[in-house]
Amino acid sequence: QSALTQPASVSGSLGQSITISCTGTSSDIGSYNYVSWYQQHPGKAPKVMIYKVSDRPSGVSNRFSGSKSGNSASLTISGLQAEDEADYYCSSYTNSVPMVFGGGTKVTVL
Amino acid sequence: EVHLVESGGDLVKPGGSLRLSCAASGLSFINAWMSWVRQAPGKGLEWIGRIKNKIDGGTSDYAAAVKGRFTISRDDSRNTLYLQMNSLETEDTAMYYCATYLYGGITNWGQGTLVTVSS
Repeated sequence: QSALTQPASVSGSLGQSITISCTGTSSDIGSYNYVSWYQQHPGKAPKVMIYKVSDRPSGVSNRFSGSKSGNSASLTISGLQAEDEADYYCSSYTNSVPMVFGGGTKVTVL
Repeated sequence: EVHLVESGGDLVKPGGSLRLSCAASGLSFINAWMSWVRQAPGKGLEWIGRIKNKIDGGTSDYAAAVKGRFTISRDDSRNTLYLQMNSLETEDTAMYYCATYLYGGITNWGQGTLVTVSS
């Protein structure tokens, strides 16, 4: 099972909105509504931001939203803040293994 | 609040073995499906395995990179998850995270324990 494809980096200015894409196949994202997104600051453990494509755990800002179309999913961060600068990973359930991660996207706040 | 605390990380020689532990609290561990995820230095996240709860069969699944070398087990009486790692390779050097598995993804993460495989 290959990793999901994410852009290596995305940047945006304070207050702007950015979108991170996560591209899979019909064997993972395309067939299941089990896409999650994680935020990881340097030296820290990851934290789940979105699960089941668009659900937010309690305590996660509503500036974070998720969606899916076909074999791709997206994470949108609106009203970009300095503390949003981090690495972001997507994951999906697949028809061969319980989950696979994307390669990660570094978000830079300009 | 869910709390996962890994331990057992160490420096080990290639070909050696190591067992990691993960003490869980703040959740119904006996009902939880659990996973291990690793992250090599400067690299991305890699799912390595999952174990179901006993009610759902208690079976384990593994990533191809570790299948046959790593074994996940659990002791529900101690609320503890284990990862037995054999035939370790330098490529297994990573931070190892214990995590809860739900909705096809990870819902809670531990802080990780570092495994270094080097001669």
